[in-house]
Amino acid sequence: DAGITQSPRHKVTETGTPVTLRCHQTENHRYMYWYRQDPGHGLRLIHYSYGVKDTDKGEVSDGYSVSRSKTEDFLLTLESATSSQTSVYFCASGHGNEKLFFGSGTQLSVL
Amino acid sequence: SQKIEQNSEALNIQEGKTATLTCNYTNYSPAYLQWYRQDPGRGPVFLLLIRENEKEKRKERLKVTFDTTLKQSLFHITASQPADSATYLCALPVSSGTYKYIFGTGTRLKVLA
Repeated sequence: DAGITQSPRHKVTETGTPVTLRCHQTENHRYMYWYRQDPGHGLRLIHYSYGVKDTDKGEVSDGYSVSRSKTEDFLLTLESATSSQTSVYFCASGHGNEKLFFGSGTQLSVL
Repeated sequence: SQKIEQNSEALNIQEGKTATLTCNYTNYSPAYLQWYRQDPGRGPVFLLLIRENEKEKRKERLKVTFDTTLKQSLFHITASQPADSATYLCALPVSSGTYKYIFGTGTRLKVLA
């Protein structure tokens, strides 16, 4: 299995607080992704990165920002968490037009 | 924008039968399409990729077809087993020339012993 780790695995936070989720991959993949998964909506793309410092918005990017200062790390930040951001967050990485490798997910609860 | 439709209702089949899952997409036809398996509490795992010039792709008991005229991919599991019970997702590029992927909502398969 590809080496993709997400941290934390679980987080409970309060509305209005900043939250940062981390994704780390050891496969030297150029492309990295953040998705959220909610019942009835499936996986929805938040942001993706096509290289160090190169990022692009997905379909549900409002309220989220990302940063990629190194090939192996892709951070997702919720500047001011809201209850609607309670979800399971998945990071993925890949070489491009091939398969994506997913992390184990982060369960985020915003109270 | 590109959208994917998968049957959101669960599919229950008897062990040993063939399961067939459907993935329909709108708008442009992608150069390739992917299928993933997701178990509860886990991230999706890649299964198969089929390109637009491939009508059919096989891997062990799995078979995927790709009909660009119908804008549809079918995913078959032959001789299904209870261990095949999971949610199956299809994914494709948002638009031509991009590596941004959208996913269907997935179809939950349950194989009954």
